Amino acid sequence: EADIYQTPRYLVIGTGKKITLECSQTMGHDKMYWYQQDPGMELHLIHYSYGVNSTEKGDLSSESTVSRIRTEHFPLTLESARPSHTSQYLCASSPTRGRRGQETQYFGPGTRLLVL
Amino acid sequence: AQTVTQSQPEMSVQEAETVTLSCTYDTSESDYYLFWYKQPPSRQMILVIRQEAYKQQNATENRFSVNFQKAAKSFSLKISDSQLGDAAMYFCAFSNTGNQFYFGTGTSLTVIP
Repeated sequence: EADIYQTPRYLVIGTGKKITLECSQTMGHDKMYWYQQDPGMELHLIHYSYGVNSTEKGDLSSESTVSRIRTEHFPLTLESARPSHTSQYLCASSPTRGRRGQETQYFGPGTRLLVL
Repeated sequence: AQTVTQSQPEMSVQEAETVTLSCTYDTSESDYYLFWYKQPPSRQMILVIRQEAYKQQNATENRFSVNFQKAAKSFSLKISDSQLGDAAMYFCAFSNTGNQFYFGTGTSLTVIP
């Protein structure tokens, strides 16, 4: 099991609330990612970071924002939650690129978000 | 652009039997990694097996093995002696030297007792 943690694991919140999903890893990985996944469906990359102070948007348009102030921490924030944000959010990390390519991604347990 | 295709949304296998999950990908690169991830219901996504494109030998991890056909851009996963705990969503993934990961749409595997 990889050392990557997400909190909360489950969150039910009302429309309009600001929420922050936490993701931390203790492996010293430079790269971190956020995916959105509806249950049993494919993953959609929404944000990624290649290191401190580096953040990029992924393929899926998202109203969320991220920050990377510390290597181990990559929180995702929704300024105003809406029912359309209801989904599962997966955080992942991977080490610095090896000799021939990117290494494995390790996933956190996920946060299931329900916006009422 | 890289794409990963899993053409089998659902598969089932009898316990103790063997099942093969298909995955094809499209890339113009020659150096990359391929992965199979397993996501049990309501549980964490974990790596099952990975293959480096420059290695001709197919990767094997216990009951899991791959059939990597680089020219055909095919990367199938074979599960031998299937167990009830193998029931999960399986995602095929591709990683290139541009530090991007691409995932397939997943195959839901049911293991029948």
